[in-house]
Amino acid sequence: GQNIDQPTEMTATEGAIVQINCTYQTSGFNGLFWYQQHAGEAPTFLSYNVLDGLEEKGRFSSFLSRSKGYSYLLLKELQMKDSASYLCAVREMNTGFQKLVFGTGTRLLVSP
Amino acid sequence: DVKVTQSSRYLVKRTGEKVFLECVQDMDHENMFWYRQDPGLGLRLIYFSYDVKMKEKGDIPEGYSVSREKKERFSLILESASTNQTSMYLCASSFQTGGNQPQHFGDGTRLSIL
Repeated sequence: GQNIDQPTEMTATEGAIVQINCTYQTSGFNGLFWYQQHAGEAPTFLSYNVLDGLEEKGRFSSFLSRSKGYSYLLLKELQMKDSASYLCAVREMNTGFQKLVFGTGTRLLVSP
Repeated sequence: DVKVTQSSRYLVKRTGEKVFLECVQDMDHENMFWYRQDPGLGLRLIYFSYDVKMKEKGDIPEGYSVSREKKERFSLILESASTNQTSMYLCASSFQTGGNQPQHFGDGTRLSIL
């Protein structure tokens, strides 16, 4: 089975940097996804990690350490529009299917 | 861009009714998924399908069934709706090959059972 932990809520200031952590316990790990979800909207894909290290995509970066069961999403130069929930999801493949298990999400509030 | 379309944004039904939620994707994805999203519980997988007429139970299948008669369409059925099925329902689709291919989500259906 899976267990995924993320902080429930974080606050930050416009222009700052924020790091959202995600820890997981799994068998059959086959990748980790980060999604952004604005209130009342669909989750949208942000990043994917399957190997250890940092993946950078503009203002957003995601890091993975498989040995530690740990990932983080780093958001730089925060903007008001970054206020949203950020979902960490782990893909397991031991069943032979692409199945994602989601954390409960971290609600980020960016203030002026 | 991938488009996943759910038939209704808001739906109100009564206890005991049979409820159909429809989802259509336009990217020829093999995999389709139904989740429900509740505060404090996150997204939980109800059912998924990896091919036409194929279905697999997710983590919380009780009280639900699904149908996939065509590749682009995946329906979620509440056989006899109950108040504890009031929730946000999200459909998603993806390619079967895995790798960095993410799941793409529809806008969701907010279902209220009275």
